[in-house]
Amino acid sequence: DTEVTQTPKHLVMGMTNKKSLKCEQHMGHRAMYWYKQKAKKPPELMFVYSYEKLSINESVPSRFSPECPNSSLLNLHLHALQPEDSALYLCASSQGQGARYNSPLHFGNGTRLTVT
Amino acid sequence: KQEVTQIPAALSVPEGENLVLNCSFTDSAIYNLQWFRQDPGKGLTSLLLIQSSQREQTSGRLNASLDKSSGRSTLYIAASQPGDSATYLCAVKGGQGAQKLVFGQGTRLTINP
Repeated sequence: DTEVTQTPKHLVMGMTNKKSLKCEQHMGHRAMYWYKQKAKKPPELMFVYSYEKLSINESVPSRFSPECPNSSLLNLHLHALQPEDSALYLCASSQGQGARYNSPLHFGNGTRLTVT
Repeated sequence: KQEVTQIPAALSVPEGENLVLNCSFTDSAIYNLQWFRQDPGKGLTSLLLIQSSQREQTSGRLNASLDKSSGRSTLYIAASQPGDSATYLCAVKGGQGAQKLVFGQGTRLTINP
């Protein structure tokens, strides 16, 4: 069982829909991450929140909008997606983001997103 | 820019064998290196984290080593079992891109009964 919980597990959406992915952790971690993973590829970093503030945006298109309502929750709002955005979206957390944090990254099981 | 390479891309061995997975990185100024496993359609599970000051870490049948000067890490799996079948990824934190984990492409491991 993973300590990072993601909902929903699967999502099918049309290109005009608006949907949200949710992520929750109760390990007291202060850094949370969104990754995108295509088949047979490693995860690609999208966003990092550190102490509830956005610290890294890897030049992600604005149709992806992250939100960190509190230290335990992370959302990813989706709007006007393209079929090529279909992928496994992974949330992760760690004790902290900076160089002094030598702690492992904990991943959720992901949301399998299909854009039609 | 930090680059991480895992060779081979895929490996198939009979059950019971000991095996080694390889990971190399181009910038030795790392803070730590992590090994993960990923089962199909699932998230990544952290197996071992080696800090830059450490040479190895062990967990059960797994042993990971780190040689920063040569830019290499190995993951040794003893007495392999079919349940070890998964994709194994290594990731480094540090070097250029210091705030982010840089992942290798992974090694897809199959253990045959």
